[in-house]
Amino acid sequence: AQSVTQLGSHVSVSEGALVLLRCNYSSSVPPYLFWYVQYPNQGLQLLLKYTSAATLVKGINGFEAEFKKSETSFHLTKPSAHMSDAAEYFCAVSLTGNQFYFGTGTSLTVIP
Amino acid sequence: NAGVTQTPKFQVLKTGQSMTLQCAQDMNHEYMSWYRQDPGMGLRLIHYSVGAGITDQGEVPNGYNVSRSTTEDFPLRLLSAAPSQTSVYFCASSPPTPSSPLHFGNGTRLTVT
Repeated sequence: AQSVTQLGSHVSVSEGALVLLRCNYSSSVPPYLFWYVQYPNQGLQLLLKYTSAATLVKGINGFEAEFKKSETSFHLTKPSAHMSDAAEYFCAVSLTGNQFYFGTGTSLTVIP
Repeated sequence: NAGVTQTPKFQVLKTGQSMTLQCAQDMNHEYMSWYRQDPGMGLRLIHYSVGAGITDQGEVPNGYNVSRSTTEDFPLRLLSAAPSQTSVYFCASSPPTPSSPLHFGNGTRLTVT
């Protein structure tokens, strides 16, 4: 079975600072990896996905993530945090597309 | 472009009552699924369907039923609501390719008293 670990259920950064949200997965083969963002009282929106084409993936709103097979990681970064980035972020993995496994989420707070 | 539509947005039930959460998508996606979201637990898969007439259980299926008579609709039935089913429920759909992301509805917030 797949599993996803997101280290840090709450992360606070100052506006303009680097955002780093961590995601590690367990899988015997490289899975498909996704980052989603959830704003209050809304569904999840796709930020970016890794599908083996390139290890550094760029997403929307200036976010990017790097797939590191040796570390089984897919950490999400953004060079400069904006107030509008405050939200909950979920990492997810899928092998077949029929079942997605989600991490427990990281709530990002941006301090003005 | 509606995407994935869930109704109702909010619902309060008494223990033992039954109800159906509706989910419809207009993207002709073959794959549809239901998740529940609870604080500190992320999203957990309840049931999923890979096409009309085909459903399967996910991680937490007990107390829920689903059916898929059309490509567009995938309702979730609570047979006898329990307080442990208080949660936010999300329906999602995607094309049947492993690299395709899920498209989510805006959720149904259910409270069982």
